[in-house]
Amino acid sequence: AQSVAQPEDQVNVAEGNPLTVKCTYSVSGNPYLFWYVQYPNRGLQFLLKYITGDNLVKGSYGFEAEFNKSQTSFHLKKPSALVSDSALYFCAVRDTSGTYKYIFGTGTRLKVLA
Amino acid sequence: DAEITQSPRHKITETGRQVTLACHQTWNHNNMFWYRQDLGHGLRLIHYSYGVQDTNKGEVSDGYSVSRSNTEDLPLTLESAASSQTSVYFCASSLSPGQDPRGSGNTIYFGEGSWLTVV
Repeated sequence: AQSVAQPEDQVNVAEGNPLTVKCTYSVSGNPYLFWYVQYPNRGLQFLLKYITGDNLVKGSYGFEAEFNKSQTSFHLKKPSALVSDSALYFCAVRDTSGTYKYIFGTGTRLKVLA
Repeated sequence: DAEITQSPRHKITETGRQVTLACHQTWNHNNMFWYRQDLGHGLRLIHYSYGVQDTNKGEVSDGYSVSRSNTEDLPLTLESAASSQTSVYFCASSLSPGQDPRGSGNTIYFGEGSWLTVV
């Protein structure tokens, strides 16, 4: 079965430090991978995606993600965290079996401490 | 600007009542989805549609139904609301492969959510 795992429920990082939010996936074929951010009482906002090409993908608000096929990972990173980055982050993969559904992880809460 | 809107944003209803959550998108996306978000479960797919008159069940479809009479709308109906259906509901949409000849990956876009409490 196709799936996405976010192993950390919460990540704490000091403002100005680099941050990483982890995501691993299990799909057959070539994955389409996505990161979304959710602020309190809001919908999910698209951050970035990997479809093909360069393994390092840059997205909104200074975030980037690295696709690693051998480790089946797609970790979200930012060189210098801001307090305003505190939010809930979701990793997702688009189903590759032809249904075009999107499978989401359970989310990781990022807390950036001033 | 094109967008996806949900209504109502907040609703309290009683057990056993029928409830309909509206979703309207102006992107002309063929694909539309309904998810529910619950603590510890992330987002779970309720129903989805690939176009007019097409509907499909997701992983948690029991007690829910949808209909797609036009491209813009996918209302979600709870036939007889239960306390277990207290949740936040998100509508989303994306291009279909036929609408995306460049194969840009069909990013899925979300509405702002509908908070439903069943008492």
